[in-house]
Amino acid sequence: RKEVEQDPGPFNVPEGATVAFNCTYSNSASQSFFWYRQDCRKEPKLLMSVYSSGNEDGRFTAQLNRASQYISLLIRDSKLSDSATYLCVVINAGNNRKLIWGLGTSLAVNP
Amino acid sequence: DGGITQSPKYLFRKEGQNVTLSCEQNLNHDAMYWYRQDPGQGLRLIYYSQIVNDFQKGDIAEGYSVSREKKESFPLTVTSAQKNPTAFYLCASNTDLGQGGYGYTFGSGTRLTVV
Repeated sequence: RKEVEQDPGPFNVPEGATVAFNCTYSNSASQSFFWYRQDCRKEPKLLMSVYSSGNEDGRFTAQLNRASQYISLLIRDSKLSDSATYLCVVINAGNNRKLIWGLGTSLAVNP
Repeated sequence: DGGITQSPKYLFRKEGQNVTLSCEQNLNHDAMYWYRQDPGQGLRLIYYSQIVNDFQKGDIAEGYSVSREKKESFPLTVTSAQKNPTAFYLCASNTDLGQGGYGYTFGSGTRLTVV
């Protein structure tokens, strides 16, 4: 079982839709969680950190469920520019800040 | 502006040759990392360095070598021992943002193709 698992998709949604991605992690000692966005043939860019209480940044909301060991990303009012791959990233305690990456979920927002 | 510069953007290598990928940062970050990305495989850690003159193997270090003689620079050499080097290579650096967050910055990547 991979340490970080994501549904690869692709998710095809119309503009304006709300879409949610989940990511599960296997190590209960995981301490930091992030969502990155990667456009085709580009480097990943940090979208948002995920905090225990949940956090929101504009149209994006991230949630953490430690009991069930998953994090989620909700995108409201999808834009064409949201089309990308969304990568779930985890850092485990005492692991020298190494990122553990999911394989990503592909999102295509259609006009 | 501060950031990470990777060069070259595209690199072609003949089988049996060693090639070196450059990574330079002016962010004053202590830690630097090399990742490899293949289609359907996600990012995999090759090597990382927490301080100058020290580095550790990641998950797929075989066939690669690195050096960290300066804080700003972390070059990666892909040796002829790497059997399948064609991939997208990403360099990253990071600092602790506090609040439990870790600020990673990525370079724009080098796409290596073996011909």
